[in-house]
Amino acid sequence: AQTVTQSQPEMSVQEAETVTLSCTYDTSENNYYLFWYKQPPSRQMILVIRQEAYKQQNATENRFSVNFQKAAKSFSLKISDSQLGDTAMYFCAFMVTPGGSNYKLTFGKGTLLTVNP
Amino acid sequence: GAGVSQTPSNKVTEKGKYVELRCDPISGHTALYWYRQSLGQGPEFLIYFQGTGAADDSGLPNDRFFAVRPEGSVSTLKIQRTERGDSAVYLCASSLWTPARYTFGSGTRLTVV
Repeated sequence: AQTVTQSQPEMSVQEAETVTLSCTYDTSENNYYLFWYKQPPSRQMILVIRQEAYKQQNATENRFSVNFQKAAKSFSLKISDSQLGDTAMYFCAFMVTPGGSNYKLTFGKGTLLTVNP
Repeated sequence: GAGVSQTPSNKVTEKGKYVELRCDPISGHTALYWYRQSLGQGPEFLIYFQGTGAADDSGLPNDRFFAVRPEGSVSTLKIQRTERGDSAVYLCASSLWTPARYTFGSGTRLTVV
């Protein structure tokens, strides 16, 4: 079974600064995907960034980037130039690369990020 | 539709009652998922449909929970004899194929009193 751990229940950052959210996971699988999702008060889970485990290069999406350390099973999210609209719950999630019929996501408990003006 | 639509947005029901939660996925998306998010937790997988069939229902907590997708589009999650512990946000998501990007709906907040 896969587990995802987010050790920071809450974090805060000043607008325009950089913040890093931590995530570790445990799996015996070799091929998988890792995700960061954002959940604002609207409740909709919004994909922020995705990383394939076979890729050594860290994924980036504009102000969002990850530090993927496969051996350490670590997957942190860096948000640069933080904006007020980044305030939300952030969830780290794991999915085994499909080879069968199970495509479910396993989520961590989340980190509440507050961006202060 | 343009997004995944879930109705109702909020539902309050009395303990012991039966409820149905509806999910209308993005048109053409063959895969559909239900997740349950309890307060202060991340979403937990309930069931996955590929077309009309449930490909994986291993996350359903007990036999009070059942989901259908009769025509391969709209899905309904059914909960019988609701209990206070069923109170949570129920999220639905759809995708063209996995692991392509899931698109989540805004969920149904179920409160059992």
